[in-house]
Amino acid sequence: QSVLTQPPSVSGAPGQRVTISCTGSSTNIGSYDVHWYQHLPGSAPKLLIYDNIHRPSGVPDRFSGSKSGTSASLAITGLQPEDEADYYCQTYDSNLSVSLYVFGTGTKVTVL
Amino acid sequence: EVQLMESGGGLVKPGGSLRLSCAASGFTFSNVWMTWVRQAPGKGLEWVARFKSKADGGTADYAASVQDRFIISRDDSKNTLYLDMNSLETEDTAVYYCATVGAAGFDYWGQGTPVTVSS
Repeated sequence: QSVLTQPPSVSGAPGQRVTISCTGSSTNIGSYDVHWYQHLPGSAPKLLIYDNIHRPSGVPDRFSGSKSGTSASLAITGLQPEDEADYYCQTYDSNLSVSLYVFGTGTKVTVL
Repeated sequence: EVQLMESGGGLVKPGGSLRLSCAASGFTFSNVWMTWVRQAPGKGLEWVARFKSKADGGTADYAASVQDRFIISRDDSKNTLYLDMNSLETEDTAVYYCATVGAAGFDYWGQGTPVTVSS
């Protein structure tokens, strides 16, 4: 039972723009930076965006992140077939009854 | 090149125990905080435990769901992270990943090792 809520799925045609929301609270997103991961089934998750907006070296610039208040978003512009994967937001949570680190519920991106 | 390789997963009966290992290479293991994350079948990612570097105190933290049952440890001389799992429950069935805790996020991950708890 994750404390960060994401839409279960989003889809788009190649070349389109899709966005994934991540909604939390004051004890997590409202207080800490958000990171995003891409996870293809059967492989290792990959850090996609860190500290809300930054891309690690090698991540295409079609991926971008943002954060406002207790919500964050991941946008994929110019959707590519290889972007079909599961995406998770993640941050720290100061509510000790929850968990030190929390992940979003995950969003499956389908390229039509 | 950073590499993390998990091992030790398998089939175990409820109430049983299992030890997972994560062999690290390509970076100075002793300087890096390490963590375990799991993914149950059909579910999302769930943080399990974290072990700080010795320089930062060398302490462990756990998710409430595994507190008092799992023990995370590390052997810096062997560049290896461990997860001792005891009193296993069917709900612990998952693929277990080890990852490095970077300055921002979990920056490197292993391929994972599957654990199945079933009678």
